[in-house]
Amino acid sequence: AQSVTQLGSHVSVSEGALVLLRCNYSSSVPPYLFWYVQYPNQGLQLLLKYTSAATLVKGINGFEAEFKKSETSFHLTKPSAHMSDAAEYFCAVTISGGSYIPTFGRGTSLIVHP
Amino acid sequence: DTAVSQTPKYLVTQMGNDKSIKCEQNLGHDTMYWYKQDSKKFLKIMFSYNNKELIINETVPNRFSPKSPDKAHLNLHINSLELGDSAVYFCASSQRQGYEQYFGPGTRLTVT
Repeated sequence: AQSVTQLGSHVSVSEGALVLLRCNYSSSVPPYLFWYVQYPNQGLQLLLKYTSAATLVKGINGFEAEFKKSETSFHLTKPSAHMSDAAEYFCAVTISGGSYIPTFGRGTSLIVHP
Repeated sequence: DTAVSQTPKYLVTQMGNDKSIKCEQNLGHDTMYWYKQDSKKFLKIMFSYNNKELIINETVPNRFSPKSPDKAHLNLHINSLELGDSAVYFCASSQRQGYEQYFGPGTRLTVT
């Protein structure tokens, strides 16, 4: 069965600083990987996805993530944080050609200081 | 012109009652899901339907019963509500199984 680990339940950065949110997965077959963002009192919104094409994936709002098979990682980055990036971020995995049960990480709360 | 909509947005009820949450998607997707998000933001899949067929049924009390009358709708009925059922319930849809999901705004259920 697949699993997702997000390191750090909270990440705090200053406005303008680099954002790095970590996600590691385990899967015995090639995965589909996703990052979602959840703003307060809203549903989740897709930021970006990896589905076995380019390993560096660009998403909305200036975010990107790199799929590294050797490290089983799919970390999310943004060069310069904005106050509006403060939200909860979820990494998720489904297995291509498998049972397709989506598995979500426990989420990372991004705090942006002025 | 909401892609995935849920009703109601808030639901406050007493223990032992029965309630339903409705979900509709206008994206033409084949697959729909129900999730439960607890107070610590942990998101747990409950059910998934593909073309009106139940394909995922995780460990959920049988007081919870999903129903999909057609591809665009997935409802969740909960019998004999308990305090532990208090959570935010999200509906989502995807074009196909395993693809990216589009989430509704959530239904905050409070059981007193």
